[in-house]
Amino acid sequence: AQKITQTQPGMFVQEKEAVTLDCTYDTSDPSYGLFWYKQPSSGEMIFLIYQGSYDQQNATEGRYSLNFQKARKSANLVISASQLGDSAMYFCAMREGPFTGANSKLTFGKGITLSVRP
Amino acid sequence: GAVVSQHPSWVICKSGTSVKIECRSLDFQATTMFWYRQFPKQSLMLMATSNEGSKATYEQGVEKDKFLINHASLTLSTLTVTSAHPEDSSFYICSAVPGQGARQPQHFGDGTRLSIL
Repeated sequence: AQKITQTQPGMFVQEKEAVTLDCTYDTSDPSYGLFWYKQPSSGEMIFLIYQGSYDQQNATEGRYSLNFQKARKSANLVISASQLGDSAMYFCAMREGPFTGANSKLTFGKGITLSVRP
Repeated sequence: GAVVSQHPSWVICKSGTSVKIECRSLDFQATTMFWYRQFPKQSLMLMATSNEGSKATYEQGVEKDKFLINHASLTLSTLTVTSAHPEDSSFYICSAVPGQGARQPQHFGDGTRLSIL
């Protein structure tokens, strides 16, 4: 079974509107972390937001927020007030187990392409 | 802070050539670095975990003799693609985690686009 599932092949959103990018995950480890990254066409990976499995509140970072539903094993990224510069590929990733440095490898989903229309 | 520098950004070379890619943590020490490969419109695939002062840990299916990793210092890991062939053409990107703590994300270099003719 896939550990990270991102099924939306491509998303379109009008500028200034909000958009939700879906991510579901699969793990039996009670300790894990979920990350969202943005990859523009230039290729660099930009960290957006983090949610820990024991976090009581949904993470927020500026225009980014994470809709974390632990029982459903979903961690959807919400981008508010979309901007043209938000057009990129977005990846959900998971790190399993308690953090020890060396075990911080990530498993990535397939990614979602977001296009923001003016 | 937490800058990872990757060099070169682009490489075009002939088949049979060996290519070295460098990954440096500029403002932090990294005992562990990660090397990924990415094909167009696809996800990042972890190739190996680079450990300072010891052998790299390769993911299943990655040829160790093909992709040589050396992590000689706390700020530098190198990936050498030996005797590269056209099928090795891809986007290679490295990452490292600064400091300790579960909330620390991996910070990525800007990647290297490798084209083998």
